[in-house]
Amino acid sequence: KAGVTQTPRYLIKTRGQQVTLSCSPISGHRSVSWYQQTPGQGLQFLFEYFSETQRNKGNFPGRFSGRQFSNSRSEMNVSTLELGDSALYLCASSFPGAGEQYFGPGTRLTVT
Amino acid sequence: GESVGLHLPTLSVQEGDNSIINCAYSNSASDYFIWYKQESGKGPQFIIDIRSNMDKRQGQRVTVLLNKTVKHLSLQIAATQPGDSAVYFCAENSGGYQKVTFGTGTKLQVIP
Repeated sequence: KAGVTQTPRYLIKTRGQQVTLSCSPISGHRSVSWYQQTPGQGLQFLFEYFSETQRNKGNFPGRFSGRQFSNSRSEMNVSTLELGDSALYLCASSFPGAGEQYFGPGTRLTVT
Repeated sequence: GESVGLHLPTLSVQEGDNSIINCAYSNSASDYFIWYKQESGKGPQFIIDIRSNMDKRQGQRVTVLLNKTVKHLSLQIAATQPGDSAVYFCAENSGGYQKVTFGTGTKLQVIP
């Protein structure tokens, strides 16, 4: 079956702008998590959604937000972009309660 | 706060040899651990997991060992192949939901 898909794969934005990233989980997976990956900080948990509800949130400012739709697809939004937001944003999906997560290829965001 | 760290940033291994990647964690309440492999340009890929009520778990060519006394986790790869070259992350899944704390990663280089 199809894996986790993320769009767009690459994005270039300017400081102060906002951006929306999209994630389509594997069919049947209702839990979607987002991570930020940078060379300096590694992989950091952003938030996790299940049944359109945010269940967990990492230590990121309020500029980072997300949502999940009834079909389990998820979006994350970053407002007022800063240079430090340049990163690979990864989405992962899983069955509820399952430890194993399946990651998408990520969206590479560059803020100039 | 809780953290998951790795002993070595880079590991070089001859093809055919066994590889051992180590990981230390600090949260003694952690009860579930996962190893991921990330190849260049891709998202992390699940390798194997282990729960805290186990000391050892084996998969295909991989074995994870857990020592709760010293809060140490290791991944052993038998007969290392060039396709094993990647960055390996240990991770802790806490709270019953998909909030995963990743280690900093170890880059495995397989020498032909």
